[in-house]
Amino acid sequence: ETMLTQSPVTLSLSPGERASLSCTASLSFSTNLAWYQQKPGQAPRLLIYDASKRAAGTPVRFSGSGSGSHFTLTISSLEPEDFAVYYCQQRKTFGPGTKVEFK
Amino acid sequence: QVHLQESGPGLLKPSETLSLTCSVSGDSISTFYWSWIRQAPGGGLEWIGYVYFSGSSNSNPSLQSRVTVSVDTSKNQFSLKMTSVTAADTAVYFCARGAPGLYYFDIWGRGTLVTVSS
Repeated sequence: ETMLTQSPVTLSLSPGERASLSCTASLSFSTNLAWYQQKPGQAPRLLIYDASKRAAGTPVRFSGSGSGSHFTLTISSLEPEDFAVYYCQQRKTFGPGTKVEFK
Repeated sequence: QVHLQESGPGLLKPSETLSLTCSVSGDSISTFYWSWIRQAPGGGLEWIGYVYFSGSSNSNPSLQSRVTVSVDTSKNQFSLKMTSVTAADTAVYFCARGAPGLYYFDIWGRGTLVTVSS
């Protein structure tokens, strides 16, 4: 099974700044990677699938890129509601998450 | 609009069997793959298992000996059974709709907290 690592563990930023979150897989695969946002007390919400396709309702400030074993989620300009934990997922495996917090 | 709702006991004693049901509304269960995913307090997400409407299923190798995921198409529901629970099974349990190949989970239930304590 693929193992996923995410970096950084925590990202401290201010509203309006750009956020870049990394997900690295132990095995190379195509582009079958998804990104989720989770806020406290809520279920995860699908943001990106197939590495770069926005799910329904995902704002355009969220973009995904990458293939093989290195993937990136970029938030072009952080809004207050974007401060949350972000997980990547490849089939049955989730990454440990990156927390985007207020600086 | 598709809606998933988990139900089941919130408190179990060690060695008991966890039984949860996910009711699906707004979509037929006879499509997609239906999964259970859990999250320990303060922890990350762990995929438990899935079932397809045909009844075929698969579960996480680390839990496989204790887990059964089943479907009831007549009720548009699917279920999770996990035997011999311990405190390590304390978590929020989510049901979710998965794409073929489990490439992503696009619809999630709100989750239900299951606590295992003597």
